Amino acid sequence: ELKVEQNPLFLSMQEGKNYTIYCNYSTTSDRLYWYRQDPGKSLESLFVLLSNGAVKQEGRLMASLDTKARLSTLHITAAVHDLSATYFCAVDNWVTTDSWGKLQFGAGTQVVVTP
Amino acid sequence: DAEITQSPRHKITETGRQVTLACHQTWNHNNMFWYRQDLGHGLRLIHYSYGVQDTNKGEVSDGYSVSRSNTEDLPLTLESAASSQTSVYFCASSGLGGLGTDTQYFGPGTRLTVL
Repeated sequence: ELKVEQNPLFLSMQEGKNYTIYCNYSTTSDRLYWYRQDPGKSLESLFVLLSNGAVKQEGRLMASLDTKARLSTLHITAAVHDLSATYFCAVDNWVTTDSWGKLQFGAGTQVVVTP
Repeated sequence: DAEITQSPRHKITETGRQVTLACHQTWNHNNMFWYRQDLGHGLRLIHYSYGVQDTNKGEVSDGYSVSRSNTEDLPLTLESAASSQTSVYFCASSGLGGLGTDTQYFGPGTRLTVL
């Protein structure tokens, strides 16, 4: 059974500082997704990582994937208040090419950025 | 613009009643998914479909059913609502699978309360 663990589950950030969210998963997979959710809202796709060593960056967020370590990281550079949200990683629990898309989500990391 | 919509956005029902949540997408995506979101669990997959007339059970499918009669819609039915099914329900859709980019796009969610 695929397990996806995020840590920390809660992260209080100071504006201007750097932080990292970790996503560990238990089976081999080379498809990992990061989503953002604002309170009471839907999920917004941030990054899709499809191979070992993949790195994607958008603004102050950078995501990477190490399939050998079964680890993805979401790095936040110089945090700002607008980044306050809950961040989810999700791993595609696919077995064959006709069973993809079965995402297993982590529990989410609630991020609060304060001055 | 293409979108994915859900209705109703909020629903209160009584234990034992049958409830149907609607999901409609205009992306022309083949793949559609239903998740439930509960505190501490992230999102969990209920049912999914890879195309018309195709439906599959996810991680937490007991007490739920879906049917896919066209590309655009995947309604979720709770056969006999239980208090344990109080949750926020998200529908998602995605396009190409395999080696293609298959980001799942999420609807706005339906908050269901079973009394």
